Amino acid sequence: DAGVIQSPRHEVTEMGQEVTLRCKPISGHDYLFWYRQTMMRGLELLIYFNNNVPIDDSGMPEDRFSAKMPNASFSTLKIQPSEPRDSAVYFCASSVGHRNQPQHFGDGTRLSIL
Amino acid sequence: KQEVTQIPAALSVPEGENLVLNCSFTDSAIYNLQWFRQDPGKGLTSLLLIQSSQREQTSGRLNASLDKSSGRSTLYIAASQPGDSATYLCAVIDGGATNKLIFGTGTLLAVQP
Repeated sequence: DAGVIQSPRHEVTEMGQEVTLRCKPISGHDYLFWYRQTMMRGLELLIYFNNNVPIDDSGMPEDRFSAKMPNASFSTLKIQPSEPRDSAVYFCASSVGHRNQPQHFGDGTRLSIL
Repeated sequence: KQEVTQIPAALSVPEGENLVLNCSFTDSAIYNLQWFRQDPGKGLTSLLLIQSSQREQTSGRLNASLDKSSGRSTLYIAASQPGDSATYLCAVIDGGATNKLIFGTGTLLAVQP
């Protein structure tokens, strides 16, 4: 079975540029999560979707961040404009409905903003 | 606000030793607690999930316990192997209608051959 697929794996861009991270969840999973991991703050939830609808976006740091899920098999996390402090590893995860089901993580996108 | 702490931050043991990783959380009203493993450059892999009504879960050489009233969980690894070297994270889902995982800071484990 294919796991959660994220692209790109690495992204290096200059401050002020738009960054788009992509995620394909596991087929049949109805929850999708975006996380950010940094040395200083650890792993933090940014936003999660249920059946393509955003449920909790309280972790999105600023209006520069936006996330969409146009269909059950695709989600994007966009940063516009990007800043050096956005440098982190961004993970996407998906799970099946009930909260007692584990979340399955992708391998992440390592983002560096110069 | 729920806070999750893991001690120690790093641990190095010789191969074959049994070891315990600790996780504590400030609000005991959790829905479940999960242990994950993270290898360098990779995402997280779910190891064990303990529901709030359970005391422990076992998978192979791994055993996780939960004491909700004291806000603690332990991950016991028996007969450690070099392949167990990784960062181990615990996370909780609070009670209430949320799927939000709140993660601890992790324990970096090195098992020396």
